Amino acid sequence: EDQVTQSPEALRLQEGESSSLNCSYTVSGLRGLFWYRQDPGKGPEFLFTLYSAGEEKEKERLKATLTKKESFLHITAPKPEDSATYLCAVQEPNSGYALNFGKGTSLLVTP
Amino acid sequence: DAGVIQSPRHEVTEMGQEVTLRCKPISGHDYLFWYRQTMMRGLELLIYFNNNVPIDDSGMPEDRFSAKMPNASFSTLKIQPSEPRDSAVYFCASRGGKNEQYFGPGTRLTVT
Repeated sequence: EDQVTQSPEALRLQEGESSSLNCSYTVSGLRGLFWYRQDPGKGPEFLFTLYSAGEEKEKERLKATLTKKESFLHITAPKPEDSATYLCAVQEPNSGYALNFGKGTSLLVTP
Repeated sequence: DAGVIQSPRHEVTEMGQEVTLRCKPISGHDYLFWYRQTMMRGLELLIYFNNNVPIDDSGMPEDRFSAKMPNASFSTLKIQPSEPRDSAVYFCASRGGKNEQYFGPGTRLTVT
């Protein structure tokens, strides 16, 4: 059973149509939850780290939030350049600083 | 800073051949990670180092895989002998004091 589950697997939005991506996790403890963006043919690009329930972080049109069992990446008024795969990863206290990734949400924003 | 550097960017080899992937982490980062990404399994940790010492290699699929970090600015991941199921994108990442991992551009490996 996957410890990190992302939904939906794929999402298609019109430009300007806000939405949210979900990342749920079942690990017994959480040192940190990470969001990355990955463009085709490139390595994951760091976006946010969240450490405790209730924490929020923002960057341009993106806002990440965290509860005890899941995280949301809210995308407000997306633009075509926001099209990418968004990866969520958890870091557990007993795994050093290694990251356990979900399979990602592929986002396509059309003009 | 140039970021994490990986070479080669693409590697095509025949089954049974030895493959060596290379990584130069960001200067000053004391953690280095090797990940593998496939469509089926996503991004998986293979091994990571702290101050050049391997800490956890439980993700290394089998003895055909080995990794070294002879100094703070260089690491290698070797596959010998390679098999078609090793075809994937291999990423190196490094971490500094802020608990943020920065990934390289990856090496796309194809084993025929």
